[in-house]
Amino acid sequence: DVKVTQSSRYLVKRTGEKVFLECVQDMDHENMFWYRQDPGLGLRLIYFSYDVKMKEKGDIPEGYSVSREKKERFSLILESASTNQTSMYLCASSLLAARRNQPQHFGDGTRLSIL
Amino acid sequence: AQTVTQSQPEMSVQEAETVTLSCTYDTSESDYYLFWYKQPPSRQMILVIRQEAYKQQNATENRFSVNFQKAAKSFSLKISDSQLGDAAMYFCAYRHGSSNTGKLIFGQGTTLQVKP
Repeated sequence: DVKVTQSSRYLVKRTGEKVFLECVQDMDHENMFWYRQDPGLGLRLIYFSYDVKMKEKGDIPEGYSVSREKKERFSLILESASTNQTSMYLCASSLLAARRNQPQHFGDGTRLSIL
Repeated sequence: AQTVTQSQPEMSVQEAETVTLSCTYDTSESDYYLFWYKQPPSRQMILVIRQEAYKQQNATENRFSVNFQKAAKSFSLKISDSQLGDAAMYFCAYRHGSSNTGKLIFGQGTTLQVKP
């Protein structure tokens, strides 16, 4: 089974801090994704990566950056945390899109609170 | 741009009965994929069922089936013989067929309550 591991389930940070959310997958997936989940809004894509050192903006990239130095690891960075970034963050991975019906596999999520 | 709409924020069903969750989407493409994901209270999102737009036959996975109406751009999920473990938030998702990145567009989610 695919395992997507997020480093923290709960995280509390202060406004202005630089925050790192880590995600690791163990199935050699090419694609990795970061979403935020908010009530009534579903999941919104922040950034995704289809290869090492490659990244593309999703629908809501403002205030975030990402890093993918190794294939199995995809990090989300809040450059200067703000209260409106309090949310649930989900990481996902999937196989290369040649198998286009392949699903994304998700981690448990990180509930981030910015005070 | 493609959009996915789940118009039912909350649904409830009696154990052992059948419930249908609705999903509509908007796209001008003919090649795409649709998914239903389940997010139980423990939060890990898991795939329930998937449908390829080029297939006319509705997908089925045990007690879960879809009603895929391509012309109406509708993709509803039917859960038969509902069980307490089906209680979760359900998300409908769309993927463009020619996408090389596997990017998904999600609906707002429907919270399903199962009453004993």
